[in-house]
Amino acid sequence: GQQVMQIPQYQHVQEGEDFTTYCNSSTTLSNIQWYKQRPGGHPVFLIQLVKSGEVKKQKRLTFQFGEAKKNSSLHITATQTTDVGTYFCAGKGYGGATNKLIFGTGTLLAVQP
Amino acid sequence: GAVVSQHPSWVICKSGTSVKIECRSLDFQATTMFWYRQFPKQSLMLMATSNEGSKATYEQGVEKDKFLINHASLTLSTLTVTSAHPEDSSFYICSASYRNNQPQHFGDGTRLSIL
Repeated sequence: GQQVMQIPQYQHVQEGEDFTTYCNSSTTLSNIQWYKQRPGGHPVFLIQLVKSGEVKKQKRLTFQFGEAKKNSSLHITATQTTDVGTYFCAGKGYGGATNKLIFGTGTLLAVQP
Repeated sequence: GAVVSQHPSWVICKSGTSVKIECRSLDFQATTMFWYRQFPKQSLMLMATSNEGSKATYEQGVEKDKFLINHASLTLSTLTVTSAHPEDSSFYICSASYRNNQPQHFGDGTRLSIL
């Protein structure tokens, strides 16, 4: 079945440093979504990418969808302590009538002040 | 907008008890809702897709007789963990979206502890 892997599993940075997490799917995706889950909380939607090679920015966050639509990345510039949490990519395959997503393995970001 | 409410937040009960968890979309109608299970420091594992007015679609390896799903209305889906045992202890989260290809909005989750 479809698998979505993320690296690294864990990243510890000093506040102000940059951070990147990479997401790789075993199959081609129709779209990819990114979610952030704070410790003890539930996932919160960040962004959705649909087009091959698409790049979107949200303030210090930059999201990219690969040309082959099988990989994606999230880059955070100048991390802040509020960025702490686990970042999940979630892919939607082609076909199927529902909005079923397969979540990546996640990257836990720790930011030291 | 797009608020999903999940109840209860915490459940602690004895082994053998059945536990019902509710998931409601408060400000939109959801023909489809999703139920996930998450173990500590792990990802969300999709358990089943809840379809309004029809049977749920379970992922491979999920026991449908163990995890009963009912989606009786466009705003409510329930997950019942039947005869729960300690290995069923986990964080259960539901989600819903306006329609296909739209982001999913998650409930706050239910922490289930079976003693």
